[in-house]
Amino acid sequence: DSGVTQTPKHLITATGQRVTLRCSPRSGDLSVYWYQQSLDQGLQFLIQYYNGEERAKGNILERFSAQQFPDLHSELNLSSLELGDSALYFCASSAGLGKNFGPGTRLTVL
Amino acid sequence: DAKTTQPPSMDCAEGRAANLPCNHSTISGNEYVYWYRQIHSQGPQYIIHGLKNNETNEMASLIITEDRKSSTLILPHATLRDTAVYYCIVTGNFGNEKLTFGTGTRLTIIP
Repeated sequence: DSGVTQTPKHLITATGQRVTLRCSPRSGDLSVYWYQQSLDQGLQFLIQYYNGEERAKGNILERFSAQQFPDLHSELNLSSLELGDSALYFCASSAGLGKNFGPGTRLTVL
Repeated sequence: DAKTTQPPSMDCAEGRAANLPCNHSTISGNEYVYWYRQIHSQGPQYIIHGLKNNETNEMASLIITEDRKSSTLILPHATLRDTAVYYCIVTGNFGNEKLTFGTGTRLTIIP
């Protein structure tokens, strides 16, 4: 058990809709990272937050946004969903040595 | 971050040592070698990391060549639960690195 929780486990929605994925980092970890894993792209880094502040950005689309709250949980908001957004979305947290990944949220856009 | 090259797949007999190679010939002096694995759509799992010395923990050993251009992850006694995709990642900015995952090596443990 990595100590990182993600909800929901599965999400099915339609194109054009908006969803929110939630992540609670392992206790004590200040950094949160979001990754997307689709069949044809592999694991792609999206964005990192550290103690509430955005620290690094990767291949995150403008339709996607994230934030980290004072209690350190994070949310990834995906809007105007397209079929190609169907993927596994992983959250990871870190206190410096290696990352702890959550179990992921599987998003299916129909 | 330096590029890494791994074989796409490998098999290993259960109970034997699994040796997974990784080439990173363009690694720079301040970059670390990390290994993660992903078991069938679960979240990736951190295994081990190193800078230039060999490292060992309860999961695996990491052997880094003297010129640091390649490394080998060793699972000493592979079990069926070690079947996974193994990723070798080279990155600087230790501790806050945004990991770039390649395609990894799909390791299959054969009973």
